[in-house]
Amino acid sequence: GQNIDQPTEMTATEGAIVQINCTYQTSGFNGLFWYQQHAGEAPTFLSYNVLDGLEEKGRFSSFLSRSKGYSYLLLKELQMKDSASYLCALPGAGSYQLTFGKGTKLSVIP
Amino acid sequence: DSGVTQTPKHLITATGQRVTLRCSPRSGDLSVYWYQQSLDQGLQFLIQYYNGEERAKGNILERFSAQQFPDLHSELNLSSLELGDSALYFCASSVERNEQFFGPGTRLTVL
Repeated sequence: GQNIDQPTEMTATEGAIVQINCTYQTSGFNGLFWYQQHAGEAPTFLSYNVLDGLEEKGRFSSFLSRSKGYSYLLLKELQMKDSASYLCALPGAGSYQLTFGKGTKLSVIP
Repeated sequence: DSGVTQTPKHLITATGQRVTLRCSPRSGDLSVYWYQQSLDQGLQFLIQYYNGEERAKGNILERFSAQQFPDLHSELNLSSLELGDSALYFCASSVERNEQFFGPGTRLTVL
């Protein structure tokens, strides 16, 4: 089986940096996804990590440590539009369906 | 716009009824996934189809069924609806093991 833990809520200030953590347990690792979801809208893909290390993509970066079962999403130069839920997800073996964490609701305040 | 379309956007119905949700994947994507999102459970995988055949099943109730047609669109059928079935239902599509692209969802309200 798969299990994912994320903080439920976080608050950060506009222009700041925030790190959203995700810890997981899985019997077979096939990479880790991060998705962003604004309230009532569809999740949108942010990043995919399969090897250890940091992947940078503009203001967003994602880090993975397979030995620790740990990932984080780093958001820099926060903007008000970054207020959303951030979902950590693991693909299953074979069919690749996603198991999602409960998500971290980020509130960006002025 | 992800390229995945879902209809209807909203659906309000009564307990005991049956509804059909429709999804059209992105052009070229053979895999279609269905997910349910409720406030207390988060996003939960229901079922996956690949090129017309069922590939994986998640926590899908026996009252729910799905199929994928030759033109690759998919339908999710929900029957004997209960209040607890009220949720957002998302369809996603992908090219094999790549990232999944989600449709805008169907918000189902069971009264």
